[in-house]
Amino acid sequence: RKEVEQDPGPFNVPEGATVAFNCTYSNSASQSFFWYRQDCRKEPKLLMSVYSSGNEDGRFTAQLNRASQYISLLIRDSKLSDSATYLCVVAYWAAGNKLTFGGGTRVLVKP
Amino acid sequence: DGGITQSPKYLFRKEGQNVTLSCEQNLNHDAMYWYRQDPGQGLRLIYYSQIVNDFQKGDIAEGYSVSREKKESFPLTVTSAQKNPTAFYLCASSGTGASPLHFGNGTRLTVT
Repeated sequence: RKEVEQDPGPFNVPEGATVAFNCTYSNSASQSFFWYRQDCRKEPKLLMSVYSSGNEDGRFTAQLNRASQYISLLIRDSKLSDSATYLCVVAYWAAGNKLTFGGGTRVLVKP
Repeated sequence: DGGITQSPKYLFRKEGQNVTLSCEQNLNHDAMYWYRQDPGQGLRLIYYSQIVNDFQKGDIAEGYSVSREKKESFPLTVTSAQKNPTAFYLCASSGTGASPLHFGNGTRLTVT
């Protein structure tokens, strides 16, 4: 089993719709969680950190479920510009600042 | 503006040659990382360094070497021992504690 797993997609989303996807992790001692966005042939950029109580940033909502060991990202009112690959990152700092990336979930927003 | 600079953006080499990728940051971050990304794949950790003059192997360190002589710089050498060096290489840095990564804009290496 991979340490961090994501559904690769693609998730085909009509413009204006809501899309949500998860990221599961295997290390129950994981401490920090992040969502990154990566456009084609570009570097990943931090979208948002994920806090225990859940957090929202505009149209984006991130949730953490420690009991089931997954994080989720929900995008409301999808825009064409939201088309990208979304990478989850799980950190276990006691292992020497090691951060593990999921394989990414591709989202395609269509008119 | 603070950031991470990788150079060059594109690099072409012949098989059997060593090549060094540059990574410089002016964010005053202690930790620096090198990742490799292959088409349609996630990021895999090559090496990371938490402090000057110290670094650790990541998941795919074979065929690579690094140095951390200055806080700002973390160059990666792709040696001829690396069997499949063609990939997108990303350098990142992070501050103390549970800080997220900040990435450079990457170097695309093609070895023929």
